[in-house]
Amino acid sequence: DAKTTQPPSMDCAEGRAANLPCNHSTISGNEYVYWYRQIHSQGPQYIIHGLKNNETNEMASLIITEDRKSSTLILPHATLRDTAVYYCIVSPGAMTTDSWGKFQFGAGTQVVVTP
Amino acid sequence: DGGITQSPKYLFRKEGQNVTLSCEQNLNHDAMYWYRQDPGQGLRLIYYSQIVNDFQKGDIAEGYSVSREKKESFPLTVTSAQKNPTAFYLCASSTRTAEAFFGQGTRLTVV
Repeated sequence: DAKTTQPPSMDCAEGRAANLPCNHSTISGNEYVYWYRQIHSQGPQYIIHGLKNNETNEMASLIITEDRKSSTLILPHATLRDTAVYYCIVSPGAMTTDSWGKFQFGAGTQVVVTP
Repeated sequence: DGGITQSPKYLFRKEGQNVTLSCEQNLNHDAMYWYRQDPGQGLRLIYYSQIVNDFQKGDIAEGYSVSREKKESFPLTVTSAQKNPTAFYLCASSTRTAEAFFGQGTRLTVV
């Protein structure tokens, strides 16, 4: 599976946009980019995922570069409740490999939102 | 409500004893997973199952065993062969085409 590289930590002011980068230079054509976050001592929470196109939902936006070697998660208006560890994961889609859905988590980025 | 239920939330066991962690989902998901998380670390995959009666080892399967007799259930047994069993254990499930949903975890402490 492709690996990802994320900065270990970043701070963000409340109300501002938080832009979280992720490098996945060895991503394969059938691999999706997923983002999760984990608030302390809880199970990870799904945020968003994409293959090629940019995606947006009620929580965040995902921008994937044209060569798919990196992506950025955007939290448009960070709140204190967004303080968490954010994980960027690449994982193969279904039907293409027997390792579909095998999520490999790295260390993630600790995001601290300050008042 | 649909979701994943892990029980118990906290578990204490004596060293050398086997212990089984429960994971149940009512999301009708095909796949289920077990992860381990140590303090300050990311999640590491123990076992995963894509279909009933079948499962595969993840990256750190030694000292653990699983079963998948029903689609809804994927219990994890931490055996006495696991040298450092104290950790936070997370269960997840997913469909073939979508994201994984996680339970709230079981914190196992071996004394």
